[in-house]
Amino acid sequence: DTGVSQDPRHKITKRGQNVTFRCDPISEHNRLYWYRQTLGQGPEFLTYFQNEAQLEKSRLLSDRFSAERPKGSFSTLEIQRTEQGDSAMYLCASSSYEANTEAFFGQGTRLTVV
Amino acid sequence: GDSVTQMEGPVTLSEEAFLTINCTYTATGYPSLFWYVQYPGEGLQLLLKATKADDKGSNKGFEATYRKETTSFHLEKGSVQVSDSAVYFCALNGAGGGNKLTFGTGTQLKVEL
Repeated sequence: DTGVSQDPRHKITKRGQNVTFRCDPISEHNRLYWYRQTLGQGPEFLTYFQNEAQLEKSRLLSDRFSAERPKGSFSTLEIQRTEQGDSAMYLCASSSYEANTEAFFGQGTRLTVV
Repeated sequence: GDSVTQMEGPVTLSEEAFLTINCTYTATGYPSLFWYVQYPGEGLQLLLKATKADDKGSNKGFEATYRKETTSFHLEKGSVQVSDSAVYFCALNGAGGGNKLTFGTGTQLKVEL
């Protein structure tokens, strides 16, 4: 297992377009998290899943954002009608609830909305 | 709600200098505390952690002690190397469940020869 992987690494989109990011967690991890990091700031929590259930969503996650984890494995984060303020690094992390492990992070997807 | 405050950077040191990066937190209950490091072009990596008061986390020569009385978790290293240049994030895992993390804003460390 090579860790948490995210795709794509970079995405440039025009304002108003929809974008979708994918995250593949470490295979035995049942918890998956999405964070957003803007320049000069620390990551901010967006949402998390335990298996396929989305258990918490931050108020940062507006109605234009939706996340899924349909089979409890990979997850997708979709942003509809992108705005320039959505430009950020989107980070995915995973952990194991049973093993109480710390979160392992992917390298992130950098979104630029022009 | 939970929050983490870190000293602002960048911090610039000469190789072999002593490093301290201050971190204080506000949280309900008894959070776990973490230091993550982000090297240029890479993702966040866990550097060390402490799960209860007076615990000391250590890794790669870095140390931090969980001080409940001062709500602090300062990062220290006795002798930094150029390869330690990175951004360091202090974080906590609050009592709200789910193991979600609250991060500080990060401190950039630059180590020069």
